[in-house]
Parts: sequence; C-alpha cells; structure tokens
Amino acid sequence: EPEVTQTPSHQVTQMGQEVILRCVPISNHLYFYWYRQILGQKVEFLVSFYNNEISEKSEIFDDQFSVERPDGSNFTLKIRSTKLEDSAMYFCASSEGPNGGEQFFGPGTRLTVL
Amino acid sequence: AQTVTQSQPEMSVQEAETVTLSCTYDTSESNYYLFWYKQPPSRQMILVIRQEAYKQQNATENRFSVNFQKAAKSFSLKISDSQLGDTAMYFCAFDFIQGAQKLVFGQGTRLTINP
Repeated sequence: EPEVTQTPSHQVTQMGQEVILRCVPISNHLYFYWYRQILGQKVEFLVSFYNNEISEKSEIFDDQFSVERPDGSNFTLKIRSTKLEDSAMYFCASSEGPNGGEQFFGPGTRLTVL
Repeated sequence: AQTVTQSQPEMSVQEAETVTLSCTYDTSESNYYLFWYKQPPSRQMILVIRQEAYKQQNATENRFSVNFQKAAKSFSLKISDSQLGDTAMYFCAFDFIQGAQKLVFGQGTRLTINP
C-alpha cells in the first residue's frame, strides 16, 4: 500500500543552523502539507502546496520557513535559521484532492534544536 | 477562526468495552468536514472516519461510529468492542469544504485499551 515517507526520522541541530526535512508524498497525489506538533501540544498546520506554489500558510510559517518540490517525488521543508522553539515533530501529508479528501500522513521527523 | 477541542486528555478501558471520545468545535462555516485520525505509538496518523456536515446521517466504519450534533457543534467517536490495537492517540480534525486547504486539529485523546 502506498504511503508517505519522511527522512530523517530524527534530526538534531544547533540553534541558528539550517535544516531540510524531506518527504516523499504518495505518487499520484497533488496536494501536499506540512504540520508540526510541539511536545504535548496539538498538531498545527504550517503550509499547503499545490501546483508548485503555496496555497495556504499559517502565521507560524514565517520567512524562516520555505517549501519546495525540487523534483517529481520529493517535497521539502526548509528552516533557515532554527530556534529552540522550532523543536517539534514535523509531519508531511498528501492528498489526491483538496478539501474533504483524506490526507495521508508520514511518520514524522522529530527535530531537536539545541 | 476555527477551533477544535478535545476535553479528555486520556482515557482507559478494558478490551471489548465501548468507549466514546468527545470533540467539540467552533466555526462560522455552515458546511465542512470532520475527521477522526488515529496515531498508534510511533506510527503514522491514519484516518478512522469522516463526516460531511451537510449529511445528517452519522458516519460508520465497522466498529467505529460518530455522533454528529451539528447544532451543538459536537462530534464524538464511539469505538465498540474495543481491541488492544485500538490503543493510540486519537485526533479530531476540522476541514473546510472549500477554500483554505488545511486541517485544524484538537489536542488529542490518548486511549489505552487494557487486556
């Protein structure tokens, strides 16, 4: 059964460093998402992406964040200069269609900023 | 802004019992979707059940069913004949029927099924 994959499973970085989190969405899906979950808190939407551009972003998704689909399979989230408060679980998701369609989630990348 | 609230941080029941997880939400939208996602330990979130707000009939998927009360903005999940494999975090989520492409999640309920 097709699934969303994410790498790495755990990333440790120093404050101020750049990180790139990678995701491979399900191949025939057209909509891609990033969510994050700070330990003990709710899952929060970061950004949605369709047709090679951002379709929606939250107030969390500031200039330090960017997303890219560099090729036909990968979907990446870049944090330019990490802060301590960026420590969280980051989930990638994809769906065939927009609103109301099932979003398939990856297993997450745990980002720890020291 | 849309908000989703799950008031039960943790629940625990014996295997084969029935358990109900609560979810309330707040929105000014008249049509939308509601979901329950399950996140087993160290695994992906998977969709359990989906409800379209314009449908009055409550959704059912095998042992999982919802009690959708639109006027009360309530969307509870009932798990019948609970199994050990149902142990997981359960998230209630809201989705727009059009426009903003994002899920709004509740805080989650950690459900433990005891043998």
